[in-house]
Amino acid sequence: DIQLTQSPSSLSTSLGDRVTITCRASQSITNYLNWYQQKPGEAPNLLIYAASTLRTGVPSRFSGRGSGTDFTLTISSLQPEDFAIYYCQQTYNNFRTFGPGTKVDMK
Amino acid sequence: QVQLQESGPGLVKPSQTLSLTCTFSGGSLWGDDYRWTWIRQHPEKGLEWIGYTSYTGSTYSNPSLKSRPIISMDKSKNQFSLELTSVTVADTAVYYCARDRGGHCSPTYCSFWAIDLWGQGTLVTVSS
Repeated sequence: DIQLTQSPSSLSTSLGDRVTITCRASQSITNYLNWYQQKPGEAPNLLIYAASTLRTGVPSRFSGRGSGTDFTLTISSLQPEDFAIYYCQQTYNNFRTFGPGTKVDMK
Repeated sequence: QVQLQESGPGLVKPSQTLSLTCTFSGGSLWGDDYRWTWIRQHPEKGLEWIGYTSYTGSTYSNPSLKSRPIISMDKSKNQFSLELTSVTVADTAVYYCARDRGGHCSPTYCSFWAIDLWGQGTLVTVSS
């Protein structure tokens, strides 16, 4: 199976900060990498698919980059509604896997 | 408005079978570019992908669950289901049904897949 690691596991930030989360795959997954946001008590919500495509309706402060094994999710200027847990997911093969998550909270 | 809704018992005894149903409303389960998926989340933990079924009948489940998941579809009711056999307390989790959607698909290949629709999730507790 393809393992995904995320770093950092958590970060304390302030409003307006630029935030970057890294996801690394144990083998090349080309661009089959998605990012989800999950808030407490809610189901996850798709933000970015195919590594860098912003889902319709998602604010443009979110962006994704990468291919192969290394990927990043960037929030250009953190807003109050962005405090959440972020997960990456690979869909390169039939056995989909998620990263362990990165918790973004307030400093 | 398309939506998914999980239903099923919230309490299951150890060694029994957990059974959940997901009802899709506002659309059809038909289509080669959909994978109807189950995911779970243990309390205060991350997401674990369980498996999927498709309209054509193909299924795939997480190898680490050792053939315990059985995922099926009832096309007439626009529902798909999860049965998880021989449960233990370690199977206590919030269970989500979801739609994994392929994009830019040819007959044999989609250039991306992503979960674009989730149910609200249902907590299943395994306890005697």
